[in-house]
Amino acid sequence: GQQLNQSPQSMFIQEGEDVSMNCTSSSIFNTWLWYKQDPGEGPVLLIALYKAGELTSNGRLTAQFGITRKDSFLNISASIPSDVGIYFCAGSAGAGSYQLTFGKGTKLSVIP
Amino acid sequence: DGGITQSPKYLFRKEGQNVTLSCEQNLNHDAMYWYRQDPGQGLRLIYYSQIVNDFQKGDIAEGYSVSREKKESFPLTVTSAQKNPTAFYLCASSISGINQPQHFGDGTRLSIL
Repeated sequence: GQQLNQSPQSMFIQEGEDVSMNCTSSSIFNTWLWYKQDPGEGPVLLIALYKAGELTSNGRLTAQFGITRKDSFLNISASIPSDVGIYFCAGSAGAGSYQLTFGKGTKLSVIP
Repeated sequence: DGGITQSPKYLFRKEGQNVTLSCEQNLNHDAMYWYRQDPGQGLRLIYYSQIVNDFQKGDIAEGYSVSREKKESFPLTVTSAQKNPTAFYLCASSISGINQPQHFGDGTRLSIL
């Protein structure tokens, strides 16, 4: 089946620093989604990307749909303590499929 | 407010026992999904339903069963055949159509006594 490689697996950063994480796929996706999950809660949708090359922002978060359609990037600027959590990428191949493929997540820790 | 409600938040199962996890949504979404999450892992799809009275197996359906009798409800039964049921279970829903983002409930944590 399809697989997503998400990196880094975890990261520790200083408050105020910028963060970058990415996902790569062995196959083409038509949609890329980025979610954040806090401990003991469900993932919350941050950004949805539908077009190759698309760059979308949500506050301090910016995500891009790679030109090859096999990767996506999420950047967080000026990190704050509440950015702590696990960030997941997810992709949909479309073509009649309702299924999402999820990466294994990037665990972000912010040092005040 | 519209959303997805999962209950209970915590559930304990005895050996050989079936348990049912509830998922209700008032978003008027046609599609609903069940995922399993293990520590350090991504979400794995158990079952999904695109419309009432229809559902499809996901990647790890063995030991689980579902029903979709109402649009707003998609309960998941963890049967005794599931030998490693301890996990965090997440329900999601989306509007119909491909490439639609899924929205998640707050999960149920199932543990074995």
